[in-house]
Amino acid sequence: GENVEQHPSTLSVQEGDSAVIKCTYSDSASNYFPWYKQELGKGPQLIIDIRSNVGEKKDQRIAVTLNKTAKHFSLHITETQPEDSAVYFCAARNTGNQFYFGTGTSLTVIP
Amino acid sequence: ETGVTQTPRHLVMGMTNKKSLKCEQHLGHNAMYWYKQSAKKPLELMFVYSLEERVENNSVPSRFSPECPNSSHLFLHLHTLQPEDSALYLCASSQDFAGLAGANVLTFGAGSRLTVL
Repeated sequence: GENVEQHPSTLSVQEGDSAVIKCTYSDSASNYFPWYKQELGKGPQLIIDIRSNVGEKKDQRIAVTLNKTAKHFSLHITETQPEDSAVYFCAARNTGNQFYFGTGTSLTVIP
Repeated sequence: ETGVTQTPRHLVMGMTNKKSLKCEQHLGHNAMYWYKQSAKKPLELMFVYSLEERVENNSVPSRFSPECPNSSHLFLHLHTLQPEDSALYLCASSQDFAGLAGANVLTFGAGSRLTVL
């Protein structure tokens, strides 16, 4: 089955700096890669996603890049703000339509 | 109400109790899911229902019993649980289970925090 690894597990950045979270996956047939943000006391919320036929996608301060050859994808947050502090999860969807999640990255943005 | 609503938000139960978790989605979605979220572990898929039929059951112990009476409601019945079952149980829904990527984007509820004593 698919195996998704996520790094780092914790990340602290100064407000205004950039944050990068990386994930690798094992199943080369996986075709869809969403990123979720989970705030304290809430469920994960989709923030951006990318399909396997696209190399990069951007939405304001958030971007995701995908390298299919290397089987890794990354979340980039620029100009971080305190409200970006949360746990971020990557996921990969395999051809069986099942999602495999990373173990999460706890991001703290220091004012 | 909008989105995915889960009740109760917190539940404490003994190992011999029987309780149920409830999930309701107001999105008109056709697929519903139960996930288990434990600290430092990836989200674990437990059950998937598509159009009220169970399509996935990932080797979950029989002490967890799902029920999907209609496309808007999903239950997780709990009985004789173990302390290691303490976790956050997340319900999610998607437009469809299979098909294009956009069709099975997951929308999660806030979760039910379960503590088994």
